[in-house]
Amino acid sequence: SQQGEEDPQALSIQEGENATMNCSYKTSINNLQWYRQNSGRGLVHLILIRSNEREKHSGRLRVTLDTSKKSSSLLITASRAADTASYFCATVRPTDSWGKLQFGAGTQVVVTP
Amino acid sequence: DGGITQSPKYLFRKEGQNVTLSCEQNLNHDAMYWYRQDPGQGLRLIYYSQIVNDFQKGDIAEGYSVSREKKESFPLTVTSAQKNPTAFYLCASRERGGDEQFFGPGTRLTVL
Repeated sequence: SQQGEEDPQALSIQEGENATMNCSYKTSINNLQWYRQNSGRGLVHLILIRSNEREKHSGRLRVTLDTSKKSSSLLITASRAADTASYFCATVRPTDSWGKLQFGAGTQVVVTP
Repeated sequence: DGGITQSPKYLFRKEGQNVTLSCEQNLNHDAMYWYRQDPGQGLRLIYYSQIVNDFQKGDIAEGYSVSREKKESFPLTVTSAQKNPTAFYLCASRERGGDEQFFGPGTRLTVL
């Protein structure tokens, strides 16, 4: 079953603009992770935020987590054409001791030059 | 060069045939996972393995089988019992105690 739901499903922006996507989930979590997938390729881990954290940064990425609302957001600043990809949030529940990831359906981001 | 390899990249099979997808990792990771991805959707867990000679069903295990005879290898067999096998299959691994999963490049299976 899908734990996370991303919003929007698709996003089209121009280079230099910021891209924001949101993820909502249903059950309590241990951590939430964001992955990126280029078309027809495997996923690449971007950033992880734990349930006791509210915000994390990594380069041009900023992730927030609101456990009271069961939601997270991923912000990509100063986007580039190379950021064109699908972005997925994935949650790990406290009961899943072996790191089972529950994925959302993803946000498809297109960055035009 | 460490990583996860999947083969083949593309696979075509006739209905009713079993097919095995290969997944190999040289990261010395204990845990390995198989996911299925359908167009425009997220990943769904088929099977996972925590350690050699042990594996557990995921959310959509029906019609699939796996083995874990070696730490570095976790092959997935798509059997004729899988009603709609055409999909993109992704293998991943994770080190013991880690959180991040490392993914292979995927195998696209098309059943004709």
